[in-house]
Amino acid sequence: AQSVTQLGSHVSVSEGALVLLRCNYSSSVPPYLFWYVQYPNQGLQLLLKYTTGATLVKGINGFEAEFKKSETSFHLTKPSAHMSDAAEYFCAVIGTGGGNKLTFGTGTQLKVEL
Amino acid sequence: DTAVSQTPKYLVTQMGNDKSIKCEQNLGHDTMYWYKQDSKKFLKIMFSYNNKELIINETVPNRFSPKSPDKAHLNLHINSLELGDSAVYFCASRIGNTEAFFGQGTRLTVV
Repeated sequence: AQSVTQLGSHVSVSEGALVLLRCNYSSSVPPYLFWYVQYPNQGLQLLLKYTTGATLVKGINGFEAEFKKSETSFHLTKPSAHMSDAAEYFCAVIGTGGGNKLTFGTGTQLKVEL
Repeated sequence: DTAVSQTPKYLVTQMGNDKSIKCEQNLGHDTMYWYKQDSKKFLKIMFSYNNKELIINETVPNRFSPKSPDKAHLNLHINSLELGDSAVYFCASRIGNTEAFFGQGTRLTVV
């Protein structure tokens, strides 16, 4: 079985500040990990993904995440927040051992203040 | 040209009615999903089809029945709608171990 835990359902940062959204996963097989963003009244858009290879992955809009197997984490960061980053962010996991169940965390709402 | 398209985008209906939501993907993917997003934004998988075959069927009332006429389509039919069915329903597709692509969602309101 696999699962994802996102710590903090709401995160608030000032514009220009570091963004850190936390994600920890549980998987019995090597995982594939994803971060999605959802803007109001829209579908989910992929920010970045980790499958194999380099553990630091870069995504769109200046976001990046690092896969740390020892910590079972895949935290999302951005050096400098912009007002347009305000949205809901979801971490997701799928096991590589077969099956197709893409499991999402409970989401983190990011608020960016002036 | 939309990759994953759902219709309708909004659906308002009375309790007890039957309704369908349609989903089509033009990405050549072999796996399609239905997710339900509740008012707290929690995304719960409902069904998954691979090559028209049902492979994931979570604990969903049997009033919900998915149908996949071909690899590019996955429709969701809901019988006897209840107030608690009000949510946003998302269709998604993927292939292999790539990321899933999502539709824009169908906001279902049962009154």
